[in-house]
Amino acid sequence: DAGITQSPRHKVTETGTPVTLRCHQTENHRYMYWYRQDPGHGLRLIHYSYGVKDTDKGEVSDGYSVSRSKTEDFLLTLESATSSQTSVYFCAISGGSGGNPSGANVLTFGAGSRLTVL
Amino acid sequence: DQQVKQNSPSLSVQEGRISILNCDYTNSMFDYFLWYKKYPAEGPTFLISISSIKDKNEDGRFTVFLNKSAKHLSLHIVPSQPGDSAVYFCAASPLTGNQFYFGTGTSLTVIP
Repeated sequence: DAGITQSPRHKVTETGTPVTLRCHQTENHRYMYWYRQDPGHGLRLIHYSYGVKDTDKGEVSDGYSVSRSKTEDFLLTLESATSSQTSVYFCAISGGSGGNPSGANVLTFGAGSRLTVL
Repeated sequence: DQQVKQNSPSLSVQEGRISILNCDYTNSMFDYFLWYKKYPAEGPTFLISISSIKDKNEDGRFTVFLNKSAKHLSLHIVPSQPGDSAVYFCAASPLTGNQFYFGTGTSLTVIP
């Protein structure tokens, strides 16, 4: 899947526990993103990164933190999981403008991580 | 507030007919638009894109139309096939930025 691996693919946890989702890419793309998908809300951006140690907030960043210590890895952490964070989480990568041979800026998604918080 | 809107949660079309999926946006800074297709238990996959310098882009059975004055885009699939049954998301981005904003999705069912 275009060199993007998400882990774990499925996780069930309890309210109040910390959770870390990992995204690993082999494409050497500069930009990495975390989205969550929920019924009625589509895909909403949580955080994104534009380089090692360079991250910024998205639309729904409260309760989430991220880290990017290497180009290939982007971690999403829920410090204290809540039931409202039950969702499917997608990592995506982009080379930015010009990152695609056609010059188009395209997001490529991973397969998703389904998180259930009880 | 949702900056990209897909007002039809679902659409059913007969095989061989045209499917038209619509998308509206509110942010005038958006200059680049994409459509993604998503099957259950998989990540979204890129389908087609268009920049604001064009009003139409075609790729095989898929055509995207952009009406910038109306802040509206649409995806046409002709002819529709059962394998096209999926959820379709539109997305928008400022041309000079690297954030992508998605709509809520439209679930397309193509009836054989």
